[in-house]
Amino acid sequence: QSVLTQPPSVSGAPGQRVTIFCTGSSSNFGAGYKVHWYQVLPGTAPKLLIYADNLRPSGVPGRFSGSRSGSSASLAITGLQAEDEADYYCQSYDTSLSLWVFGGGTTLTVL
Amino acid sequence: EVQLLESGGGLVQPGGSLRLSCGGSGFTFSTFAVSWVRQAPGKGLEWVSSISGSGGTTNYADSVRGRFTISRDNSKNTLYLEMNSLRVEDTAVYFCARCPLSGTYKGDYFDYWGRGTLVTVSS
Repeated sequence: QSVLTQPPSVSGAPGQRVTIFCTGSSSNFGAGYKVHWYQVLPGTAPKLLIYADNLRPSGVPGRFSGSRSGSSASLAITGLQAEDEADYYCQSYDTSLSLWVFGGGTTLTVL
Repeated sequence: EVQLLESGGGLVQPGGSLRLSCGGSGFTFSTFAVSWVRQAPGKGLEWVSSISGSGGTTNYADSVRGRFTISRDNSKNTLYLEMNSLRVEDTAVYFCARCPLSGTYKGDYFDYWGRGTLVTVSS
C-alpha cells in the first residue's frame, strides 16, 4: 500500500486529454510538501516530467502540466500521443515516515 | 549531457552481499546529492537511500537501514551501495538518481536517473 495513491491505469485516444490523480494526506501534500512526477518506460531511465507541483524541466513538452491542492495532486497530458504510453509516478516527502515517497504508479494506455 | 550508469547487479543468495556502483558524468559530481531508488518486479518505485554531495549526510529507508550502506568517491565520480544480509524482498532494479542540490532536503526530487541494474536474491 503506497503512501500516495494513484489509479492503476488510465487511457485515452490520440489527441485527447487525460488526467492522473495522486492522493496524499496531511503528512505529505497537506503538510506543504510539493509533488513531482516521473515518466517510466520499460528498460529506460525514469524521466522527470514535473517538479515542485507545476514546473517543467527543460525539454519536457508543454502538453504536460501539474497542479496540487490540499491533499491531492494531478498530472494532465493534453494532445495525447502514442509515445506518451508509459507508467507515471508521483513523488513527495512524508513527514510522518521521514522519507521520500512515491505513488504506486499509473499505466497510461493510448488507445 | 548528464549521465548515470549503474553496475554490479546480479544473482545472490539470501543472506549474501553485493555492492552496486553508479558512475556519473556530464556534471560536477561532488556538488550534487545522489540517491538509490528501487523497483521490485511488477511494483512501484521505492526510495532506498540518499547521500549529500560531500558524503557527510546519509539517509536510509527503514527497510534497509542497518543492512545497506551508501557511500561515494567524488575523486572517481562514483556512488556505491553496499548491500548485506540480502533478503528475497530486496529483489529489484536499482536506479541511481541525482538530486537537484548538494544537500538532501525534504523537498527533493530526482532530476536525472540511470537505467538501473537488476539485483535478484534467490536460492
